[in-house]
Amino acid sequence: IVMTQSPLSLPVTPGEPASISCRSNQSLLHDNGHNYLNWYMQKPGQSPQLLIYMGSHRPSGVPDRFSGGGSGTDFTLRINRVEAEDVGVYYCMNSLKNVPTFGQGTKVEIK
Amino acid sequence: EVQLVESGGALVQPGGSLRLSCLASGFTFSRHWMSWVRQAPGKGLEWMATINHDGSDNYSVDFVEGRFTISRDNAQNSLYLQMNSLTVDDTAVYYCARGPDYGAWSDFLDYWGQGTLVTVSS
Repeated sequence: IVMTQSPLSLPVTPGEPASISCRSNQSLLHDNGHNYLNWYMQKPGQSPQLLIYMGSHRPSGVPDRFSGGGSGTDFTLRINRVEAEDVGVYYCMNSLKNVPTFGQGTKVEIK
Repeated sequence: EVQLVESGGALVQPGGSLRLSCLASGFTFSRHWMSWVRQAPGKGLEWMATINHDGSDNYSVDFVEGRFTISRDNAQNSLYLQMNSLTVDDTAVYYCARGPDYGAWSDFLDYWGQGTLVTVSS
């Protein structure tokens, strides 16, 4: 499954909203009704951290300004009001099959 | 607190071998699938291999099959990646990551280690 993110670079203004798109070439909607699409953020010099799992679920500890949506082949990560600490690279990842694949990554930076 | 600590990264010559280890703590290791993900310098994330909770099944990306082998020792709370016939293209930071509980319906990697650097160069 090929994952395509856009844009690849996203300059943002603190306090403003931002969104990243992720598309797959196959549906990630399982027969169980859940989308096997996850979002990760990697801050400079750090390991990736889970932001959103199974399409729209936010783990405890992740700020509620982050939200995930979409279904099937089209997904979106939204940041309600960007903060300076949100700079980094964001990746989507499909986990539908036993061969996970990542998007190319979207670099978010402050204008 | 869930912790994953990788080790074993090193400078190795092309054609050489290396064994990476990941020591887990803070959770019941034997209940979780585990994975290796790598990141070449300045590049994105690339999934390498996954092993199920008891080690009876595993999957790896096509281009490393036959060269890389994932394994685990639940008694030692440890995950391994044996890498043979290394090439310069294998240069990367290798992360271990925790997958779902074996009984879960969901599938995502929720905790990641800090990574270990493998450099393949002559």
